Amino acid sequence: NAGVTQTPKFQVLKTGQSMTLQCAQDMNHEYMSWYRQDPGMGLRLIHYSVGAGITDQGEVPNGYNVSRSTTEDFPLRLLSAAPSQTSVYFCASTGTGRYEQYFGPGTRLTVT
Amino acid sequence: GENVEQHPSTLSVQEGDSAVIKCTYSDSASNYFPWYKQELGKRPQLIIDIRSNVGEKKDQRIAVTLNKTAKHFSLHITETQPEDSAVYFCAASWAGGATNKLIFGTGTLLAVQP
Repeated sequence: NAGVTQTPKFQVLKTGQSMTLQCAQDMNHEYMSWYRQDPGMGLRLIHYSVGAGITDQGEVPNGYNVSRSTTEDFPLRLLSAAPSQTSVYFCASTGTGRYEQYFGPGTRLTVT
Repeated sequence: GENVEQHPSTLSVQEGDSAVIKCTYSDSASNYFPWYKQELGKRPQLIIDIRSNVGEKKDQRIAVTLNKTAKHFSLHITETQPEDSAVYFCAASWAGGATNKLIFGTGTLLAVQP
C-alpha cells in the first residue's frame, strides 16, 4: 500500500490564482481530512469527510472548498489564493471504527 | 468546540533525563488523545495514544497519562536520546463511528542535548 499520497510537494502561486491540492489513499478509509500547519499554531482542521459524497467544515474552512466523489480521493481547492494561505497542508485518513490517523507527506504552498 | 492547550512550547533536557509535556482539553466528550512526533520537514507520526477508558499507557520509554476529571493528559519520555529531538503535538477528539476530528495543541519543541 502507498498509504496517503499528496501532490504536489511544493507550489508557488500568485495572489488570486486558483489550484487544487490532491490527496489519495489506498487503504479504503472512510474518514479523510485536511489540515494546515503554520509556525507556532500546530495543525488546524480545514475540512473533513466521513465518506463519498459527505463533507463538512473544520476549524478554518474559509477560502477552501472540498469534494469527495470517491472513497480514495479528497482534493482541496483554493479558488482565489491569498498570502494568508501560505502554509504546509497535510491530508490524513482513518478507517471506520479505527482511531489512528495516517498523514500524507504534505504540500508546501507559498502565495506571493 | 474543542480547544487544546499545550505546555511548554520549548523544552531542553540533557541526554538521559526525562521530559514531560502537558496538555489540557476543554470538551468533556473527547475520548481519544494521541501524541504525534514531527521531525523537521516530515509528516506527523503517531507515537502513542490513549482512550478515555484508560488512565495510563506505556510503550518502552514513552508513556501517556490521562486525568479525565481535570481534563488533562501528559506525555512522559524517559532516558531521552538525541534522536528524540523533534516537535511533539498532543491532540484530542471525539472518535466514534466514521468521524475523528482531531484538534491539536500548538506543539512542544524538544531539544535533547548530548
